[in-house]
Amino acid sequence: AQTVTQSQPEMSVQEAETVTLSCTYDTSESDYYLFWYKQPPSRQMILVIRQEAYKQQNATENRFSVNFQKAAKSFSLKISDSQLGDAAMYFCAYRSPNFGNEKLTFGTGTRLTIIP
Amino acid sequence: DTGVSQNPRHKITKRGQNVTFRCDPISEHNRLYWYRQTLGQGPEFLTYFQNEAQLEKSRLLSDRFSAERPKGSFSTLEIQRTEQGDSAMYLCASSPRGTSYEQYFGPGTRLTVT
Repeated sequence: AQTVTQSQPEMSVQEAETVTLSCTYDTSESDYYLFWYKQPPSRQMILVIRQEAYKQQNATENRFSVNFQKAAKSFSLKISDSQLGDAAMYFCAYRSPNFGNEKLTFGTGTRLTIIP
Repeated sequence: DTGVSQNPRHKITKRGQNVTFRCDPISEHNRLYWYRQTLGQGPEFLTYFQNEAQLEKSRLLSDRFSAERPKGSFSTLEIQRTEQGDSAMYLCASSPRGTSYEQYFGPGTRLTVT
């Protein structure tokens, strides 16, 4: 079974600075999908960024980028120019590509605080 | 596109009672997922449907839990004989046909069992 580990329960960053959230995972599959989801307080979870394991290029979405290290099974999220609206719980998630095994396996999350 | 909706948003029940939650996915999304999230934890998978077929169930889904998606549109999750350990946020998500692997989440139903 796949597992996802987020070792930083809480992180804080000054507004406009850069912060990196860590995620490691364990799997025996060679192809898979990794995600970072954001869950603001009392609001629903939204997708931040997605990475396909077969792609060597790291995904980027505006101020959000990932550092995907397949051999190390590491998938960190970098948030540049942090904004107050980035304050949320961030969850790393894994998904198998196989039909019929489409569940997301989440880590325990990192609570990100933005300091004005 | 109004997003995934869930009702009720909050439910308080006494131990031993039955509860039912509803999820309306995004229109035309044929995949629907249920997760449970307890305080301080990430969501845990419960079950998922493709159209009306329930394709996978977690071992977390005890005999007291049942989920349906009768016409491949909305879904219901029923918990019978609730226990205090069932207190959690129940999240629903949906995703479209094809190779898009993004799951779109609803706001959740918070269940409190007293």
